[in-house]
Amino acid sequence: SQQGEEDPQALSIQEGENATMNCSYKTSINNLQWYRQNSGRGLVHLILIRSNEREKHSGRLRVTLDTSKKSSSLLITASRAADTASYFCATQVNTGGFKTIFGAGTRLFVKA
Amino acid sequence: ETGVTQSPTHLIKTRGQQVTLRCSSQSGHNTVSWYQQALGQGPQFIFQYYREEENGRGNFPPRFSGLQFPNYSSELNVNALELDDSALYLCASSLSGQGFEQYFGPGTRLTVT
Repeated sequence: SQQGEEDPQALSIQEGENATMNCSYKTSINNLQWYRQNSGRGLVHLILIRSNEREKHSGRLRVTLDTSKKSSSLLITASRAADTASYFCATQVNTGGFKTIFGAGTRLFVKA
Repeated sequence: ETGVTQSPTHLIKTRGQQVTLRCSSQSGHNTVSWYQQALGQGPQFIFQYYREEENGRGNFPPRFSGLQFPNYSSELNVNALELDDSALYLCASSLSGQGFEQYFGPGTRLTVT
């Protein structure tokens, strides 16, 4: 089963609006990463937040991590049509071997 | 472009056959991970290789196997192909096993008929 679960599954907004995506996970993690994927191509790394961090910024991206609630959120401010993509959270755990576990993703559609 | 390349781009195989997919890591990266992504799903972790040794594996049967070579390029082998193996196969390289961002290749689209 998936470790991470994104919410919502799909999101449609107007250009210029903010987009918020949430991710929940089940077990203790070393870090959590967010990735973007355009139309079934390879994934692009957006941001990594470690388990001892609570918030991180990168350009128009803001990520928060709440380890007590086992959840994270990705905020994209002032969205653009080019932000249209699928967004995935991924958690890295080391239990009996190293694993990276992705959620099912949030499909974001930004209308121009 | 991440510098991670995969071959072939597309592949069609028949059930029961075997397939080998290849991945060249980004320069300087010693870790490679393989993922299977079904349509509309998130990537599923198959396994990871660090300095030529497997150091993590997901819930995939033994017919999924891999190799990492001294130059850190990698292969994914799948034996006895099943229809459900049809998916996009992604490899990703990174500097180390964990705590570092992964750089993904464009993927190999495998269709099993």
